[in-house]
Amino acid sequence: AQTVTQSQPEMSVQEAETVTLSCTYDTSESDYYLFWYKQPPSRQMILVIRQEAYKQQNATENRFSVNFQKAAKSFSLKISDSQLGDAAMYFCAYRSEYNFNKFYFGSGTKLNVKP
Amino acid sequence: NAGVTQTPKFRILKIGQSMTLQCAQDMNHNYMYWYRQDPGMGLKLIYYSVGAGITDKGEVPNGYNVSRSTTEDFPLRLELAAPSQTSVYFCASKAGGSPDTQYFGPGTRLTVL
Repeated sequence: AQTVTQSQPEMSVQEAETVTLSCTYDTSESDYYLFWYKQPPSRQMILVIRQEAYKQQNATENRFSVNFQKAAKSFSLKISDSQLGDAAMYFCAYRSEYNFNKFYFGSGTKLNVKP
Repeated sequence: NAGVTQTPKFRILKIGQSMTLQCAQDMNHNYMYWYRQDPGMGLKLIYYSVGAGITDKGEVPNGYNVSRSTTEDFPLRLELAAPSQTSVYFCASKAGGSPDTQYFGPGTRLTVL
């Protein structure tokens, strides 16, 4: 079974600074997708960024980028120019190429942004 | 367009009671999901449905049942509630052409005492 591990329960960053959230995963599959989701206090889950395992190029979405290391099974999220609105829980998630209905989530990292 | 709605927002159950968590979406999405989120943990998939009349088990289905008689509704039934089912329950939906963009409801916080 796939597992997703987030080893940082909580992190803090100063507004306008850069922060990196870590995620590792375990799988025997070669084709899969990785995601970062944001969960603000409203508890809605918002897709932040998506990475296909077959792509070597790291995904970027505006201030959000990932460092995908397939051999190391590592998938970190970098947030540049942090804003107060970035404060939330961030979840790393895995989905198989072969069953796009089954997502596996990590335990989350709570990000605090200090003004 | 309300998106994904869930009722109730909060509920306290006694051990052994039953209840149904309601979920509805108005986006005509074929795919719907039920997750639970325990304190300090990520979401775990309970059940999912790929269309009306079709459901399948997720990672943690024991103690739950689902049905999908319409595209819009996907209720989750708890029979014989147990303290281990204390959690926040999220319903989500997605369109067939967007395999990763799930739209989540606001969640139901359930406590079993």
